Amino acid sequence: AQSVTQLDSHVSVSEGTPVLLRCNYSSSYSPSLFWYVQHPNKGLQLLLKYTSAATLVKGINGFEAEFKKSETSFHLTKPSAHMSDAAEYFCVVSANTGGFKTIFGAGTRLFVKA
Amino acid sequence: DTAVSQTPKYLVTQMGNDKSIKCEQNLGHDTMYWYKQDSKKFLKIMFSYNNKELIINETVPNRFSPKSPDKAHLNLHINSLELGDSAVYFCASSFLAGEDLTDTQYFGPGTRLTVL
Repeated sequence: AQSVTQLDSHVSVSEGTPVLLRCNYSSSYSPSLFWYVQHPNKGLQLLLKYTSAATLVKGINGFEAEFKKSETSFHLTKPSAHMSDAAEYFCVVSANTGGFKTIFGAGTRLFVKA
Repeated sequence: DTAVSQTPKYLVTQMGNDKSIKCEQNLGHDTMYWYKQDSKKFLKIMFSYNNKELIINETVPNRFSPKSPDKAHLNLHINSLELGDSAVYFCASSFLAGEDLTDTQYFGPGTRLTVL
């Protein structure tokens, strides 16, 4: 069985301060983990993915995420928020369970204050 | 050079009508998907096709019928539209036979369906 939980439905930060979006997962398999970003009225864009190589994954726009198996977490971080980072972020877990099973988290809305 | 495209972008229609949404991908992927995103941004998978064969069919009313004429296209036809069908529908594609053996999905821009 697989599941993914995004621990915060909303996160608000000031421009120039760090961003932390939290994601916990559960999987009986060796999962791949992804973060996607959705800007208002846009489609989803892949930010980064973990596929059992390096546990610290760097993505686009200065985002990175660290896979921590002991904590079953895959939190997304960025050192300094920009106004353009304001969007909805989705954590995704996927594994080949005899066919791929991909599950999206409920999303975290990031607000960036000037 | 659009990777995953959907038409139309917006669709406004009356209850009871039948409508279709088209999706095309030029990434050479072997798998395509339809998702429904509700007003709370929750994404729910509806269907998935791999090499034109249906592999995922979640609990979706049979008013929704996907059709995949070839690997690059997955269209969604909806009969007898209801108010609750109003949502944003996203098409996505991935390459399950790829070397990284992951389901990395690439999304279209979405179709906002409004049923009046």
